[in-house]
Amino acid sequence: GAGVSQSPRYKVAKRGQDVALRCDPISGHVSLFWYQQALGQGPEFLTYFQNEAQLDKSGLPSDRFFAERPEGSVSTLKIQRTQQEDSAVYLCASSLARGTLYEQYFGPGTRLTVT
Amino acid sequence: KQEVTQIPAALSVPEGENLVLNCSFTDSAIYNLQWFRQDPGKGLTSLLLIQSSQREQTSGRLNASLDKSSGRSTLYIAASQPGDSATYLCAVEGTGFQKLVFGTGTRLLVSP
Repeated sequence: GAGVSQSPRYKVAKRGQDVALRCDPISGHVSLFWYQQALGQGPEFLTYFQNEAQLDKSGLPSDRFFAERPEGSVSTLKIQRTQQEDSAVYLCASSLARGTLYEQYFGPGTRLTVT
Repeated sequence: KQEVTQIPAALSVPEGENLVLNCSFTDSAIYNLQWFRQDPGKGLTSLLLIQSSQREQTSGRLNASLDKSSGRSTLYIAASQPGDSATYLCAVEGTGFQKLVFGTGTRLLVSP
């Protein structure tokens, strides 16, 4: 079946612009995660949704970052007034349910470059 | 705060060699540990998931072990192939809503 998809795959933004990154999780997956991966680093957790509820946003680096999942399916990560340090790959992952038995399945990521 | 370290950062081997990738973590209170593979420009592919109560998991030529008390995991790749070339990441799931803490990865190059 279809995996996790993300769009756009690449985004170039001028400093100060707002951007919106979309994630389509695997159908039926309850849990959804956003991670940020800087060049040469491992992914770092940003935020977690269980259905439409945002249960953990402790990894969001500033109040310029905002995520939503209004209907418990598609999620959008929005970054306002982008800065150069926001340049990274943004990965979305979904999981069937909460619990240690369930693997996270990752999308291909959106590479954001802020100029 | 959980920290995950992977050694070596990069590894280059000829085809056919057996190899070991290492992962260590500072907080042994984990629920599980996952090994992922990342190809350039692509997302992460889950290779193996070891629950905290398990000692190892095997899938084909891959074998991952977990020693929770010492905060270590190893990924063993048997008879390496050029198609194994990728970055390998380990991640631990600790307390809190399933968020994974990743290491910085090991870049593996297997030459024909």
